[in-house]
Amino acid sequence: EDQVTQSPEALRLQEGESSSLNCSYTVSGLRGLFWYRQDPGKGPEFLFTLYSAGEEKEKERLKATLTKKESFLHITAPKPEDSATYLCAVQVNQAGTALIFGKGTTLSVSS
Amino acid sequence: DAGVTQSPTHLIKTRGQHVTLRCSPISGHKSVSWYQQVLGQGPQFIFQYYEKEERGRGNFPDRFSARQFPNYSSELNVNALLLGDSALYLCASSKSYEQYFGPGTRLTVT
Repeated sequence: EDQVTQSPEALRLQEGESSSLNCSYTVSGLRGLFWYRQDPGKGPEFLFTLYSAGEEKEKERLKATLTKKESFLHITAPKPEDSATYLCAVQVNQAGTALIFGKGTTLSVSS
Repeated sequence: DAGVTQSPTHLIKTRGQHVTLRCSPISGHKSVSWYQQVLGQGPQFIFQYYEKEERGRGNFPDRFSARQFPNYSSELNVNALLLGDSALYLCASSKSYEQYFGPGTRLTVT
């Protein structure tokens, strides 16, 4: 069964304290891995797509990387406005374009 | 450019009733997908439509149905509502593999 696991469930950081969020996956055939940011009560906001192991993407303080078994979302010098839930999702080759999501990591950054 | 729009924003229904949720995709996007997100969980796939045809269905009962119109907008229908149907219902549109989500409809079943 295709599965996505995110860790930790919750993460508290001080402003400027860099860290990483993990997304591990077991799928039959990975087409792509997606990262989203979700604020409370709102829809997920697209951040990155990664298609092959070794690929990296960056946007402001965020950097996403991909290996054959997991992805990391690195947050460098976070600010309070980075506080949100970060969702990881995969698309598998045999399932059309349906996304399989993890439960998310809730990040809180305090000043 | 306008993003994905959904209506209504919030909805309160009673058990056993029927509900219709609506979604308008980003201009130029021909595919619409529906997801259900309960509190504390990631979104779960319900349906995908492309060019008015169903292209995928998640593990949801037949009480859930959807359709896509010629202008690519979509409706999600849920019959015989249960308390467990209370959730945030998300619509996503796509041109290829990347999906862009709307703000969601918060459904509360009492």
